[in-house]
Amino acid sequence: DGGITQSPKYLFRKEGQNVTLSCEQNLNHDAMYWYRQDPGQGLRLIYYSQIVNDFQKGDIAEGYSVSREKKESFPLTVTSAQKNPTAFYLCASSIVTGEAETEAFFGQGTRLTVV
Amino acid sequence: QKEVEQNSGPLSVPEGAIASLNCTYSDRGSQSFFWYRQYSGKSPELIMSIYSNGDKEDGRFTAQLNKASQYVSLLIRDSQPSDSATYLCAVNMGYGGSQGNLIFGKGTKLSVKP
Repeated sequence: DGGITQSPKYLFRKEGQNVTLSCEQNLNHDAMYWYRQDPGQGLRLIYYSQIVNDFQKGDIAEGYSVSREKKESFPLTVTSAQKNPTAFYLCASSIVTGEAETEAFFGQGTRLTVV
Repeated sequence: QKEVEQNSGPLSVPEGAIASLNCTYSDRGSQSFFWYRQYSGKSPELIMSIYSNGDKEDGRFTAQLNKASQYVSLLIRDSQPSDSATYLCAVNMGYGGSQGNLIFGKGTKLSVKP
């Protein structure tokens, strides 16, 4: 089935450790995104990518890094520089067209907890 | 600063009533508007999209858009307990002309009482 797969579903990180969240899509979508959601809050954009080997910072990119070596994959690394990484992380993808009709479809999310 | 504003709620309605969810946005040039439903602990799922002024109906859901007032709403008719969730409004404001960049509101929590 077509869709977006995030792994793992739950992730525990020790203080000072880097961790990588996986996001894979087989929808042939050009654009991919990473959002962070804190309890009772909306989604805040971390990074997004519209084409392979290119990506842009969102509103809260500090302490995070990404790569886009393949169209299907957009992994997010949470570095030790991110001081408050405990949150629900959502990956999304969408079609990029000349029109403005680009709804995003989401993976199931990764819940990261610092221990 | 590009913003999408929603009343956080909670909005409580009895089963069978109409639930009305509202959203305002700051960028007058926005072209695409979406409503997502998010159950607790789950990822958002798209339920409605709207691009032109007026109403768009899909089953029990109606989205309403007024670009002059920078206002978009979602009506849920015959509300069911299974509609209890947080509803996120999202607006495509673009980044320097590129498409596909959604700005989300913080969401309105809806509770439908049996």
